[in-house]
Amino acid sequence: AQSVTQPDIHITVSEGASLELRCNYSYGATPYLFWYVQSPGQGLQLLLKYFSGDTLVQGIKGFEAEFKRSQSSFNLRKPSVHWSDAAEYFCAVGDGATNKLIFGTGTLLAVQP
Amino acid sequence: DVKVTQSSRYLVKRTGEKVFLECVQDMDHENMFWYRQDPGLGLRLIYFSYDVKMKEKGDIPEGYSVSREKKERFSLILESASTNQTSMYLCASSPWGRRGYEQYFGPGTRLTVT
Repeated sequence: AQSVTQPDIHITVSEGASLELRCNYSYGATPYLFWYVQSPGQGLQLLLKYFSGDTLVQGIKGFEAEFKRSQSSFNLRKPSVHWSDAAEYFCAVGDGATNKLIFGTGTLLAVQP
Repeated sequence: DVKVTQSSRYLVKRTGEKVFLECVQDMDHENMFWYRQDPGLGLRLIYFSYDVKMKEKGDIPEGYSVSREKKERFSLILESASTNQTSMYLCASSPWGRRGYEQYFGPGTRLTVT
């Protein structure tokens, strides 16, 4: 069965520091992969997506993610974190032809001044 | 801009009450979804719908039902609310096809059952 693992429940970084959030997936075929962000009190917003092609994908708000098939990973990165990036981040994999998403349990990012 | 609205941001209900959560989207999307979000568990799919009057069970449908009488509206019904249904409920919509994974979320309804 498909699954998504986000091993870090909570991460704290200093403003201006680089960020990497980890995501590992389990899926039989070529996966469709996504990162969503949830700011406090808000719904989720799509940050970026991977369907095929270039394994390094760019998203909104200066985020990028790299698909590594050999490691079954899709880690999210940002070179310099801003205080407004404090939020919860969810990795997700698309479930075949059903348009369903399978979400990880999320990583809560805190940004220190 | 796609807009997904949910009828209430906060709701407090008593055990045994019938509860209706409403979701409306304005982008003519075919797909609509109901999730519940709990700390440490992420988002879990309750029900989804591909079209009017069509519904499919998600991962945790027990204790819930849904209704989709119009394309833009998807309702989640708790037939007899229980305290273990206290949670954040998120509605989402998406178009059909590969872009269907690009789900647009409402702001959520935080339901407390006492």
